Amino acid sequence: RKEVEQDPGPFNVPEGATVAFNCTYSNSASQSFFWYRQDCRKEPKLLMSVYSSGNEDGRFTAQLNRASQYISLLIRDSKLSDSATYLCVVTTRSFMNNNAGNMLTFGGGTRLMVKP
Amino acid sequence: DGGITQSPKYLFRKEGQNVTLSCEQNLNHDAMYWYRQDPGQGLRLIYYSQIVNDFQKGDIAEGYSVSREKKESFPLTVTSAQKNPTAFYLCASSMEGTDTQYFGPGTRLTVL
Repeated sequence: RKEVEQDPGPFNVPEGATVAFNCTYSNSASQSFFWYRQDCRKEPKLLMSVYSSGNEDGRFTAQLNRASQYISLLIRDSKLSDSATYLCVVTTRSFMNNNAGNMLTFGGGTRLMVKP
Repeated sequence: DGGITQSPKYLFRKEGQNVTLSCEQNLNHDAMYWYRQDPGQGLRLIYYSQIVNDFQKGDIAEGYSVSREKKESFPLTVTSAQKNPTAFYLCASSMEGTDTQYFGPGTRLTVL
């Protein structure tokens, strides 16, 4: 089983639609959770962190369910510019002997295509 | 402007040749990372470095080598021992004590 699993899609939606992606992770000790956005042939860019209480940034809402070990991303009022691949990212293990940060494990990404 | 730069953007090499990919950051970040991305797949960690003159193997280090002589620089060498080197290579960095990583624009390596 992969450490972080996502439906690869593609999700084809019309402009203005609401779309939701889910992601499941296998390590119950995972500590931090993120959604990154990656445009075609570009680098991933941080979209938002995911907090236990859920958090919202404009049209984007992220939720975390620790009991079921899944993370969700909801996009409201989809724009053409939202077309991209969305990567679910979790921290899975710590560096040894210092506090430089946890290592990230990436899901394979979910591709979203917003059509006019 | 602060950020992470990678060069070159595209790189072609013949089988059996070693090649070095550059990664530089002026964010004053302590930790730096190299990932590989294959089509339709997630990023996989090759090497990481938490401080100067120290680095650790990631999940797929075989056939790669790195150095960290300066805080700002973390070059990756793809050696001839790497069986399937054609991929998109991404460098990232993060501040000490944080999990958020910031990525450079990537180098697309093709072995002919």
